[in-house]
Amino acid sequence: DIQLTQSPSFLSASVGDRVTITCRASQAISRYLAWYQQRPGKAPKLLIYAASTLQRGVSSRFSGSGSGTEFTLTISSLQPEDFATYYCQYVNIYEFTFGPGTRVDI
Amino acid sequence: QVQLVQSGAEVKKPGSSVKVSCRASGDTLANSAFNWVRQAPGQGLEWMGRLIVMSNSTIFAQRFQARVTITADKATSTAYMELNSLTSEDTAVYYCARTAYPTYYYYGMDVWGQGTTVTVSS
Repeated sequence: DIQLTQSPSFLSASVGDRVTITCRASQAISRYLAWYQQRPGKAPKLLIYAASTLQRGVSSRFSGSGSGTEFTLTISSLQPEDFATYYCQYVNIYEFTFGPGTRVDI
Repeated sequence: QVQLVQSGAEVKKPGSSVKVSCRASGDTLANSAFNWVRQAPGQGLEWMGRLIVMSNSTIFAQRFQARVTITADKATSTAYMELNSLTSEDTAVYYCARTAYPTYYYYGMDVWGQGTTVTVSS
């Protein structure tokens, strides 16, 4: 099974900061990776699929990149509503595996 | 646009079963697959399984294979997840989430229900 790790697990940032979160896969997964945002007490929200494609309606300050085993989610200028936990996810016809999450705090 | 509305919170005894529903509105159910994802208190997200409505085919995470059933009622546009042999470790928020035709995975889980809290306690 594919395993995902995320770094950092926690980061403290300020409004306006540029933030980068890394997701690494235990083996190459091409570009079969999605990113989600989860605010406290809410359901996750899809931000990016296929490693770099922005989901319709998601702010362009979010961007994704990478392929193979290393992926990044970048928030270009952190906004107050962006303080949340972010998860990467490997997507496959047979399984969906989530990373452990990165909490972005003020 | 599809919306998913889940059933209300449940409190169950250890050893019992729980059945959570997820009603879809706003789009045809036939082009969708329904996934179930759970989140234990303070923990991350865990995928449990998926049903493709068009083919009625299911696939499950290995650790849930023996205990979970996912079904769908096309007439009411409702998906169901039943989890058996509950223990306190099954206390979690359970989410349904859609993945779309044609691959049912490539575009990610684009629509989520609001979540259903299941508490297992004696």
